[in-house]
Amino acid sequence: QSVLTQPPSVSGAPGQRVTISCTGSSSNIGAGYDVHWYQQLPGTAPKLLIYGNNNRPSGVPDRFSGSKSGTSASLAITGLQAEDEADYYCQSYDSSLSGPPFGTGTKVTVL
Amino acid sequence: EVQLVQSGAEVKKPGESLRISCKGSGYSFTSYWISWVRQMPGKGLEWMGRIDPSESHTNYSPSFQGHVTISADKSISTAYLQWTSLKASDTAMYYCARNWNYGEFDYWGQGTLVTVSS
Repeated sequence: QSVLTQPPSVSGAPGQRVTISCTGSSSNIGAGYDVHWYQQLPGTAPKLLIYGNNNRPSGVPDRFSGSKSGTSASLAITGLQAEDEADYYCQSYDSSLSGPPFGTGTKVTVL
Repeated sequence: EVQLVQSGAEVKKPGESLRISCKGSGYSFTSYWISWVRQMPGKGLEWMGRIDPSESHTNYSPSFQGHVTISADKSISTAYLQWTSLKASDTAMYYCARNWNYGEFDYWGQGTLVTVSS
């Protein structure tokens, strides 16, 4: 069981806004470690989507945004598009694990 | 251009040994940790462990400690994931990815599919 918990699924109609939560603890997000987000399209390797809580790598649309507060973080997708249908994972560092665990993953469905 | 190129798909029998590889190029291989990530069929990403290629220092997730070995040969910029006795439950896609210290995984390998079946 991962130390970072996400909802199994979220859905929304095209154009809507959806958010994905990532809940951690005092040994990871709450300890001040950054949160990063990845998008995994079917049959492909994960792709970095957000790094350092709220930064987008070059080429990632500004429809994607991240935030962090306390022991949790969130990924927001505004103006949802069909191509956003994918699995999304948060990731941080955990001092108890001495490593970078992933969240449990969230499947985004575009209705 | 930064690249992590993994070895090809493997089909093995239970009890057999296996080593898969991840070759880095386009950057200083010893400046970043290399992690291995497991994805079982239809499941999420699981961090297995990582290695600092400069000193071969390793960290393992408790879930994988003792079941796999991570190593690296910095002279050829390659990291490895090794099993001594495979089980059917090791069937999965395995990814390597690089990160700096506590940071994000900015580059990933293409994945190596390991199938263990009698």
